[in-house]
Amino acid sequence: DQQVKQNSPSLSVQEGRISILNCDYTNSMFDYFLWYKKYPAEGPTFLISISSIKDKNEDGRFTVFLNKSAKHLSLHIVPSQPGDSAVYFCAAIYSGNTGKLIFGQGTTLQVKP
Amino acid sequence: DVKVTQSSRYLVKRTGEKVFLECVQDMDHENMFWYRQDPGLGLRLIYFSYDVKMKEKGDIPEGYSVSREKKERFSLILESASTNQTSMYLCASRGGGRTDQPQHFGDGTRLSIL
Repeated sequence: DQQVKQNSPSLSVQEGRISILNCDYTNSMFDYFLWYKKYPAEGPTFLISISSIKDKNEDGRFTVFLNKSAKHLSLHIVPSQPGDSAVYFCAAIYSGNTGKLIFGQGTTLQVKP
Repeated sequence: DVKVTQSSRYLVKRTGEKVFLECVQDMDHENMFWYRQDPGLGLRLIYFSYDVKMKEKGDIPEGYSVSREKKERFSLILESASTNQTSMYLCASRGGGRTDQPQHFGDGTRLSIL
């Protein structure tokens, strides 16, 4: 029972273009959503988050959009850079559940120079 | 900056062995977590702890136990290692207060069970 799903295992984008990573969820009780980035042989690092009461959060080149009615969120990276090549994990928190993170399967982003 | 340190980057053990994975954080965080990462499955929570000597099962606790005797240290124990426990293991910590605070991860332990 996958509550958070990233249906695209991989994405390839040209440097300078927009990267859009998608995430779907099933549990309407989730309070917050987070994106993590993971390089090989390193632990995931926090990128950006959004509260369920908002529909957009922006931090530099990274913007997360939340569509609650569709139970869908997306991460936009503009412009994409080769250093953005990594695995991106979407995660959700249900604060009534002691704040455990529920992760998606991950999407591998490759940004080509 | 938060530092989460996992004692081994790579570990090779044999089936049936008792295996200890150690994790230490330096930010006095109340909450600590153990995940495993497998291709196509993302990160799955094994156990977590919200205080010294306190622990709760995550989504896949079978075959594992944990120990938290000191606030900064959280150990994952494979009681009798099996080949299906070959995986990348990730430890994380998070401060108390708001549950939307991000978790900080160590660099992982790649464990192979032969």
